[in-house]
Amino acid sequence: GAGVSQSPSNKVTEKGKDVELRCDPISGHTALYWYRQRLGQGLEFLIYFQGNSAPDKSGLPSDRFSAERTGESVSTLTIQRTQQEDSAVYLCASSLQRPGLTGGELFFGEGSRLTVL
Amino acid sequence: DQQVKQNSPSLSVQEGRISILNCDYTNSMFDYFLWYKKYPAEGPTFLISISSIKDKNEDGRFTVFLNKSAKHLSLHIVPSQPGDSAVYFCAGTQGGSEKLVFGKGTKLTVNP
Repeated sequence: GAGVSQSPSNKVTEKGKDVELRCDPISGHTALYWYRQRLGQGLEFLIYFQGNSAPDKSGLPSDRFSAERTGESVSTLTIQRTQQEDSAVYLCASSLQRPGLTGGELFFGEGSRLTVL
Repeated sequence: DQQVKQNSPSLSVQEGRISILNCDYTNSMFDYFLWYKKYPAEGPTFLISISSIKDKNEDGRFTVFLNKSAKHLSLHIVPSQPGDSAVYFCAGTQGGSEKLVFGKGTKLTVNP
């Protein structure tokens, strides 16, 4: 596709359930990011993938959060035993380069809105 | 610690006037800054950026100013149009880092 695609666009789940969010980056983009935006907050960095390098997981808020990426394509963000504070819009972005370099602008998907009841 | 601060949650201006959105940062290692625009139910889209070696970058109606000594940047939109109504996020990053640190955003409303 032409842009970053995320699914599902909306997910309502019960506290304690596991959820999986999917991201299809722009073809050819080697870098992939997950951010989340909680209500009234800015975009919070979660995890970064670059090619075959080990991902930067420094933003994951707890060990209930994990993410995988298949090569330079699809990524899934998994949240286990969801809590109400996990409610947020989860945004995926991809880029050709690191920010600050030509082509380093992040292209975001529309996000997956997660509501934990 | 909030490294990027957008202290005005909202701003309202008349069509045709100038919109000025402000952003402050605390991390002196940041050397590249970006502005993103976000419409409801859409992902943020890149708007304009500036490197710390510059103090101004212009792209059409959009100009970003950087004051390194004050750790302050601003986005000017002239003239403002109703289609500019959106949430604007400021972000900073340190050279070589993959992470963008975002502010909380400022909601701009341009009234016809």
